[in-house]
Parts: sequence; C-alpha cells; structure tokens
Amino acid sequence: DAGVIQSPRHEVTEMGQEVTLRCKPISGHDYLFWYRQTMMRGLELLIYFNNNVPIDDSGMPEDRFSAKMPNASFSTLKIQPSEPRDSAVYFCASSFGEAGYTFGSGTRLTVV
Amino acid sequence: EDQVTQSPEALRLQEGESSSLNCSYTVSGLRGLFWYRQDPGKGPEFLFTLYSAGEEKEKERLKATLTKKESFLHITAPKPEDSATYLCAVQAPWGNNRLAFGKGNQVVVIP
Repeated sequence: DAGVIQSPRHEVTEMGQEVTLRCKPISGHDYLFWYRQTMMRGLELLIYFNNNVPIDDSGMPEDRFSAKMPNASFSTLKIQPSEPRDSAVYFCASSFGEAGYTFGSGTRLTVV
Repeated sequence: EDQVTQSPEALRLQEGESSSLNCSYTVSGLRGLFWYRQDPGKGPEFLFTLYSAGEEKEKERLKATLTKKESFLHITAPKPEDSATYLCAVQAPWGNNRLAFGKGNQVVVIP
C-alpha cells in the first residue's frame, strides 16, 4: 500500500487566494482526519470523517475553512480566502476503526 | 485546557546514554494512549498503543509504559538514528476516534 497520499507537498500562495489541499486515504480505512501542525500549538485536529460523513468539525478555525469527502478515497481541505496566519503544515491521516492513525507526509502551506 | 503535557520539550543525549520521556494526561476514562515518532519534514509514524495501567510495550531500544496519570517512553542506549520528535496522544471517551496530541519531546542523540 502506498500509504496516505497528500498533495501538494508544498504550497506558497498570496493572501486572499483560495487554497485546496488533497488527501487519498489508505484503501479500506473508514476514518479520515485533518490536522494542522505549528510550532506554537503542535498538532491540532481540524475535522474528521467516518465513512465519508463529517463527525466533528469543531476544530475548524473559522468559516474560511471547509472540508469535503465525496467518496472513500478522496478528501479536500479548502481555505478561502487564505491569510498569513494559516501558514502551517497540514496533515491528513486515516485509520481503520480505533487502530492507530497512519499519517501522510503533509502539505507545507505558506501564505505571503 | 491542556490534556496532554510532554516533558522535557527538548533533550540532547550522548550516544548510549539512556533516558526517559514523560507524557502526563488529564483525561478521565482513557481509552488508549499512543506514541508516535516524527522525523523532520515527515508525518508522525505510529510506535505503540497502551490501553491500561501497568501495560508495557517494546520496540528495539524503545519501551513505553503506562500509569493512571502518565506514560513514559524509555530510550535505552540510544543511537543517532533515534533522533526525532516523539509525540504522545490520548484517546478519550468523548470522541469516536479522535486523538489529542501533546507538543512532543524533541530528542537529539549525539554520536
């Protein structure tokens, strides 16, 4: 298995632009998580899905953030409009049941 | 509030110098405590899951232990390749399958 695949690996964008991050979970996994990692706050859960249904989005910072999971093999995290304080590494992870998560390699987002 | 606190934040070890990392948690009804390793520029990699006080798990030079209030990750005779950030996470009853992470222990092993 190729693991959890995230794209792009790096994204540099200007403030106000729309950013879309993509994730392909491991086949057969029924949970998908989006986390954000910064030096100050560590890993923060943004939203997670179970069987493609959003379960908890209380970690989404504000209305500028949205996430979708149209099918079991694909999810997106969108930021519109982006701001410099959104700069961070965004991780997608998947799991089967309550087993440990498998993380992707992350997307490093820089908003200038 | 902080549910997971890891200490020390950073640790420099000589090769072969054993040490322990601490993860204190405040959640009640812990369902599981997880340890991950993260290398620079990569996603966290799963190491262990512990479910009940007194449980221990080992992998090469790493041993994780769990009490009712904290977990320890013991590194025995570390090698430079053990240099990484070690993350602790707790799984509480309040969510289906969500993990709350600590900020990590950054370990550097000097040859």
